[in-house]
Amino acid sequence: SQKIEQNSEALNIQEGKTATLTCNYTNYSPAYLQWYRQDPGRGPVFLLLIRENEKEKRKERLKVTFDTTLKQSLFHITASQPADSATYLCALEGDKIIFGKGTRLHILP
Amino acid sequence: DAGVTQSPTHLIKTRGQHVTLRCSPISGHKSVSWYQQVLGQGPQFIFQYYEKEERGRGNFPDRFSARQFPNYSSELNVNALLLGDSALYLCASSGGTKSSYEQYFGPGTRLTVT
Repeated sequence: SQKIEQNSEALNIQEGKTATLTCNYTNYSPAYLQWYRQDPGRGPVFLLLIRENEKEKRKERLKVTFDTTLKQSLFHITASQPADSATYLCALEGDKIIFGKGTRLHILP
Repeated sequence: DAGVTQSPTHLIKTRGQHVTLRCSPISGHKSVSWYQQVLGQGPQFIFQYYEKEERGRGNFPDRFSARQFPNYSSELNVNALLLGDSALYLCASSGGTKSSYEQYFGPGTRLTVT
């Protein structure tokens, strides 16, 4: 069955460092992969979308890579700030959209 | 412009009751999707509607149903509520049916079943 795994439930990163989150998937050939941010008690907020024929995408301090051979996406936040603390979700498209469980990122001042 | 709105914000129901949740998409968006999110999990897809037609359905029992109105707003109905239906119900709107379109989520409705 189709499966998405975000490898860390929680990740603590020192302020100013680069945070790297991982999304792995199996039994899937998604055309698109999306990353969202979710704060407690709120709906997810779209951050970035990357297509299967794109290797990398950037937006300000955010960078996403997509390796369809490894079936993996990496999400990077450079120069991390305490305000970046949140849960980050990856989502894949198939016949429907499937979300991972998310990684809780804590940026420590 | 207003974002996606959902009502009510919170709801408490007892087992066996029925509930209706409402969603208004961003102006110009014709696609509305519904998700269930339990604590510690990612959103789980329930339905997608586009131009008033169902375009996708997740693995939820027939107690869950939805519809989309001519103004593209949507309702999610859940019958015969179970304790396990307690969750945050999220509505998302987008400009199309594929995830190549960005989804904009509402704040959610927190449903508690006692």
